[in-house]
Parts: sequence; C-alpha cells; structure tokens
Amino acid sequence: KAGVTQTPRYLIKTRGQQVTLSCSPISGHRSVSWYQQTPGQGLQFLFEYFSETQRNKGNFPGRFSGRQFSNSRSEMNVSTLELGDSALYLCASSLAMRSFDGYTFGSGTRLTVV
Amino acid sequence: DQQVKQNSPSLSVQEGRISILNCDYTNSMFDYFLWYKKYPAEGPTFLISISSIKDKNEDGRFTVFLNKSAKHLSLHIVPSQPGDSAVYFCAASVSRLTFGEGTQLTVNP
Repeated sequence: KAGVTQTPRYLIKTRGQQVTLSCSPISGHRSVSWYQQTPGQGLQFLFEYFSETQRNKGNFPGRFSGRQFSNSRSEMNVSTLELGDSALYLCASSLAMRSFDGYTFGSGTRLTVV
Repeated sequence: DQQVKQNSPSLSVQEGRISILNCDYTNSMFDYFLWYKKYPAEGPTFLISISSIKDKNEDGRFTVFLNKSAKHLSLHIVPSQPGDSAVYFCAASVSRLTFGEGTQLTVNP
C-alpha cells in the first residue's frame, strides 16, 4: 500500500512569508497528526485532525494552523515565518485518533527560513 | 519543560552485544510509552510499546522495561545488528505524544 506522502520534500522561504505543507495519509486512515522536529528538541506535537476537525493542539503560536479535507488529506500553514521555524515537519496518519502504535509517518518536509 | 528526556545523544556498540537506550520522564500521568526508530531521510517507524500497568514487554530482539517509581524507561536490543543503527526516540502519552530528543545508535560490525 502507498505510504504517507508529504509535499514538498524541501522548501526555502524568507522571513515574514507564509508556507503551506501537505500530507496525504494512507488510504483509509482518518487521523492525521503533525510534528515539528528540530535538532536537540525531538518531535514536538503541533495538532491532530480527525474527520476534518482539529481534535488536539500542541503549544505552538497561532501562526501555526492546519486543516483536514473530506478525503483525509491535511495541510498545515505557517504564517509570518521566523528563522526558528526552520525544521523538519512530519505528519503521521493512523486509522483512529491517538493510535500511536499505529502511526505511519511520512518522510517529512524540510523547511528552511532565511 | 522537557517532560521526556533521553540524556544520551549517542551510543556505540559492537555487533552481537546488547544495546541499552534510556529515557526518563517527569509526568506521572503518562499511561503509554513507545519507542520509534528513525533512519535518515525517512519518517520514524513504530518499534515497541508498553502500557503503564506493565513493567516489561518483549518483541523478538527488542525488550522495553518500565520502572514507574523511577519514572524510567529503557529499550534493550539483543543481539545488536548493524541494521539497527538509527536514531531511537522514546515517547510517552496521555492524550498526545511527547517525544524525547532521540539517541543515535551505531552498531559496529
């Protein structure tokens, strides 16, 4: 079966710009979660979507937002980019909410803010 | 506030020996613990988990131990193989996953 697809793989943006990242889950998976990975910080939870509704949110500023479509594909948006937003952004899909051992992660989008 | 900590950024072991990766946590509300493995340019993959009501779980070469009184989690890999070389993340959950910083394991042939 096809895995979790994240696009684009790499992105370079300038401070102050905004960016949209996309995540296509495994077919049949209805939950999509987003994580930010930075060196020395591990993965930090951004938000979880299930059935087009945000079900859980991490401790990130309002510049970080997301949505989920009826086909379970999800996007996350970061507005007014800062240098500190440079990171690997990972999404994970699963059949159900909080099915952490059923997570399938994508390969991530590497965002560089200059 | 780092609620899940992996104090060793790296670990190097010889092929065939035991690898022990450690993880400490501070939140006593965590009820489920997991280990993920990550190769370069790939997303993490689930390895093994343990519920807070257990103290040990085994899956082949991988065993996870949970010491609730010490708030300590460990992953044992026996025997270690070169293909095990990867970054290992521990994670803990209540309603969401909280990850540690990761430990780079290198298994030398």
